[in-house]
Amino acid sequence: GENVEQHPSTLSVQEGDSAVIKCTYSDSASNYFPWYKQELGKRPQLIIDIRSNVGEKKDQRIAVTLNKTAKHFSLHITETQPEDSAVYFCAAQGGGGNKLTFGTGTQLKVEL
Amino acid sequence: SAVISQKPSRDICQRGTSLTIQCQVDSQVTMMFWYRQQPGQSLTLIATANQGSEATYESGFVIDKFPISRPNLTFSTLTVSNMSPEDSSIYLCSVVHRLNYEQYFGPGTRLTVT
Repeated sequence: GENVEQHPSTLSVQEGDSAVIKCTYSDSASNYFPWYKQELGKRPQLIIDIRSNVGEKKDQRIAVTLNKTAKHFSLHITETQPEDSAVYFCAAQGGGGNKLTFGTGTQLKVEL
Repeated sequence: SAVISQKPSRDICQRGTSLTIQCQVDSQVTMMFWYRQQPGQSLTLIATANQGSEATYESGFVIDKFPISRPNLTFSTLTVSNMSPEDSSIYLCSVVHRLNYEQYFGPGTRLTVT
């Protein structure tokens, strides 16, 4: 089955800096890669996603890149703000259905 | 997106008892899933809830422990049976929207087994 690795597990940045979280996946048939943000005590919220026919997608301060050859994808957050502090999960959806396999999560802390 | 509600939001249960969690969506969805998230951990898929038929369970999860129903497109239940303290966790319903195929999560049910 699919295996998703996520790094780093924790990330601390200064307000205004950029943050990058990286994930790798194992199943070359995976074709959908969403990112979720989970604040403490809340549900995971979909913040951006990318499909395998696209190399990059951007939404304001958030961007995701995908390298199908290397089987990795990354989340980029620019001009970080304290409200970006949360746990971020990457996920990959295999070619066999709608099941998502999640990474282990990255605790992002944006310091003033 | 989809508006998803879960009941109960939290519960404290005695070991050996069972709890049924309900998930209701406001719009038609294609897929419904049940996940478990233990404190500080990632999300683990328990099963896919199939409308009108038996759920599809992931490795390590069995129907006798986690019976699931999905009588229609917008409603599903997960029962945690014969509970032990190891079942203490957050249980989340998730749906794939019919139109955009994005996956959304319900607010979760925080279960504590004593």
